Amino acid sequence: AQSVTQPDIHITVSEGASLELRCNYSYGATPYLFWYVQSPGQGLQLLLKYFSGDTLVQGIKGFEAEFKRSQSSFNLRKPSVHWSDAAEYFCAVGHNNAGNMLTFGGGTRLMVKP
Amino acid sequence: DSGVTQTPKHLITATGQRVTLRCSPRSGDLSVYWYQQSLDQGLQFLIQYYNGEERAKGNILERFSAQQFPDLHSELNLSSLELGDSALYFCASSLTGSGVTEAFFGQGTRLTVV
Repeated sequence: AQSVTQPDIHITVSEGASLELRCNYSYGATPYLFWYVQSPGQGLQLLLKYFSGDTLVQGIKGFEAEFKRSQSSFNLRKPSVHWSDAAEYFCAVGHNNAGNMLTFGGGTRLMVKP
Repeated sequence: DSGVTQTPKHLITATGQRVTLRCSPRSGDLSVYWYQQSLDQGLQFLIQYYNGEERAKGNILERFSAQQFPDLHSELNLSSLELGDSALYFCASSLTGSGVTEAFFGQGTRLTVV
């Protein structure tokens, strides 16, 4: 069965520091991968997605993610974190079956120190 | 703003009661999805409708039901509510009903069962 693991429940970084959030997936076929961000009291906003092609994908707000098939990973990165990036981040895998459901990881809560 | 509208934003009700959550998808989107976000289960897919027909079903309880109307808005009905049903319920929409495409999420309805 498909699953997504985000090993880090909480991460704290200093403003201006680089960030990497880890995501590992288990999926039998070609994965379709997403990163969403949820700010407090807000819905889920899509940061970026990987369907095929270049394994390094660029997203909004200066985020990027790299798909590594050999490691079953899709880690999210940002070179310099801003205080406004404090939020919860979710990695998800899409299912190319009869529907279009997403399986989400448990999320990583990012805190940014001034 | 994702273009997906959910009402109400907050709902407080007693155990045993029934509530209806409403979702209006983005203009032009034919698929609507419902997800439940709770502290113990994380983000879980409940059900998907495409152009009025049920397309995929996830971990949706028998006490819960949904439908999509001809104008494409959707309602999620939760009955015989239990304390454990307290959660944030998200609606999402996408253009198509199959194949993997990005889904746009509403801001959610926070349900509190007391």
